Amino acid sequence: AQSVTQLGSHVSVSEGALVLLRCNYSSSVPPYLFWYVQYPNQGLQLLLKYTSAATLVKGINGFEAEFKKSETSFHLTKPSAHMRDAAEYFCAVSDLVTGGYNKLIFGAGTRLAVHP
Amino acid sequence: DGGITQSPKYLFRKEGQNVTLSCEQNLNHDAMYWYRQDPGQGLRLIYYSQIVNDFQKGDIAEGYSVSREKKESFPLTVTSAQKNPTAFYLCASSTQTYNEKLFFGSGTQLSVL
Repeated sequence: AQSVTQLGSHVSVSEGALVLLRCNYSSSVPPYLFWYVQYPNQGLQLLLKYTSAATLVKGINGFEAEFKKSETSFHLTKPSAHMRDAAEYFCAVSDLVTGGYNKLIFGAGTRLAVHP
Repeated sequence: DGGITQSPKYLFRKEGQNVTLSCEQNLNHDAMYWYRQDPGQGLRLIYYSQIVNDFQKGDIAEGYSVSREKKESFPLTVTSAQKNPTAFYLCASSTQTYNEKLFFGSGTQLSVL
């Protein structure tokens, strides 16, 4: 079965600093990988997704993630943090189930705090 | 605007009571899902449905039930058998394509009185 591990339940950075949120996956086949963001008391929004077209994936709000097969990683980065980036971030892997549709397996999440 | 609507935003359950969470989508998506979110545990899949009149158990289906009588609607009932129902419940939908993203509702916070 697929699984996702997010290292660090809480990450704190200064405004303007680099953001690095870590995600490792286990998959026996090439995976589809996603990063979602959740603002307080809201649902999840897609930041970006990897579907094997390119290893460096650019998403919304200045985020990007790099797929590294040798490390089974899909870490999320942003060069310069902004206060509005404070949220919870979830890495997810797509699990193929009967019928060919996508059941997502989510990591436990990383809460990002940005301080002035 | 197309999207997913969950209601109510907040819900309280008494001991022994069944409660139903509503989820409606106007995205014309075939697949719909219910996730439960607990602090520090991420999202866990309760039930999913690929098509009308069909649904499958997810990883934590015990104490929950669903129906899918219409493409647009996928209500979740939290039964009295669910002994720890306090959580944030998220409904989502997607197309049937394998790598397509999920669209999420804004969630329902269920608490026990």
